[in-house]
Amino acid sequence: DAKTTQPPSMDCAEGRAANLPCNHSTISGNEYVYWYRQIHSQGPQYIIHGLKNNETNEMASLIITEDRKSSTLILPHATLRDTAVYYCIVRPYSGGGADGLTFGKGTHLIIQP
Amino acid sequence: EPEVTQTPSHQVTQMGQEVILRCVPISNHLYFYWYRQILGQKVEFLVSFYNNEISEKSEIFDDQFSVERPDGSNFTLKIRSTKLEDSAMYFCARTTVLAGNTTSTDTQYFGPGTRLTVL
Repeated sequence: DAKTTQPPSMDCAEGRAANLPCNHSTISGNEYVYWYRQIHSQGPQYIIHGLKNNETNEMASLIITEDRKSSTLILPHATLRDTAVYYCIVRPYSGGGADGLTFGKGTHLIIQP
Repeated sequence: EPEVTQTPSHQVTQMGQEVILRCVPISNHLYFYWYRQILGQKVEFLVSFYNNEISEKSEIFDDQFSVERPDGSNFTLKIRSTKLEDSAMYFCARTTVLAGNTTSTDTQYFGPGTRLTVL
């Protein structure tokens, strides 16, 4: 799987948009970009994923650059409950799901009141 | 997405003892996974399981570990003889993708985890 690079930590004011960057310059054409987060020691929570088009759901938006070498996760109105470690993961669709996810260290996002 | 339930939430055991961790997915889940996270470290993939067989496993998943779905319902991870370094959070995950369906993605959804403490 392609390697990803994320800043180790970020701060964001409550109510503002949190923009979390991820570099994946070695991404292959069949690899998706997934975002998960982990609040304290809870199980990783799926947020969003995309291939090449920008995506939006009830939790966040995912912006993928045209060359697909980087992406940004946007939490439009961050709340204190969004404080967590956010993981950007690149993996191919494996046609059935056998492959495990490779987690990095992620970005520790701290929402400030 | 429906939740995955894990039991117990916390397991304390003595070194050398066997432990069984359980995951209770909903019946239409196809792929199951186990991950672990040692305190302060990354989440690590252990094994994936499909149709009552191991699909993939990592280097961590050695002979001390085994997985099965004995009653067609609970998905279990067994550690035969626990070591101090097995102390970690263990997460079960699942996906509902249909095998061979190339139009869907195999998003994995995680359970809340079992905290294993080996004394």
